[in-house]
Amino acid sequence: EIVLTQSPATLSLSPGERATLSCRASQSVSSFLAWYQQKPGQAPRLLIYNASNRAPGIPARFTGSGSGTDFTLTISILEPEDFALYFCQHRSYWPPAVTFGQGTRLDIK
Amino acid sequence: QVTLKESGPVLVKPTETLTLTCTVSGFSLSNARMGVSWIRQPPGKALEWLAHIFSNDEKSYSTSLKSRLTISEDTSKSQVVLTLTNMDPVDTATYYCARIGDYGDYVLDYWGQGTLVTVSS
Repeated sequence: EIVLTQSPATLSLSPGERATLSCRASQSVSSFLAWYQQKPGQAPRLLIYNASNRAPGIPARFTGSGSGTDFTLTISILEPEDFALYFCQHRSYWPPAVTFGQGTRLDIK
Repeated sequence: QVTLKESGPVLVKPTETLTLTCTVSGFSLSNARMGVSWIRQPPGKALEWLAHIFSNDEKSYSTSLKSRLTISEDTSKSQVVLTLTNMDPVDTATYYCARIGDYGDYVLDYWGQGTLVTVSS
């Protein structure tokens, strides 16, 4: 079973700064990785799929990159509404399953 | 407009069986490309995938919970049902259903609002 490890657990930054969130897989997952944002009291929202494709309506300041075992979500210029919890997700086809990372909390400094 | 909505009890007792219903609209459960997943999130913790189902009756379950989970669908009612037997306080969580949509790879493109289930006697 593939394990996704996100770092850091908490990232404290100020609006206007650049955020870099990491997701590392215990073995290669090719480009089959997605990123989600979750705000308090809300359901997660899809940001990025296939490692680097933005979902419809997601601002251009969100960029996903990486392949194999190392992936990054970059938020170029933090807006106040970007402070939230971020999860990465992978799928395996055999056995069919979905795995989430433990999350990175992006806090206002 | 795609929507998913979870419904079910807010409180269950230990050893009871939890039954949750996900009612969907804006897409058809008969669409071969799409499926529905259940995911849960204990308070303050990470997301945990539980199960998914596709229209061809392909079903998959979390390895750790497989013996306790059953997923089914009623396409005529646009509903997906999840049961979890032998509930325990550690099963207290917000339970979400989400659509596996156009991006494949079990990517969850639409989510329900979630329903908080508390397990307590």
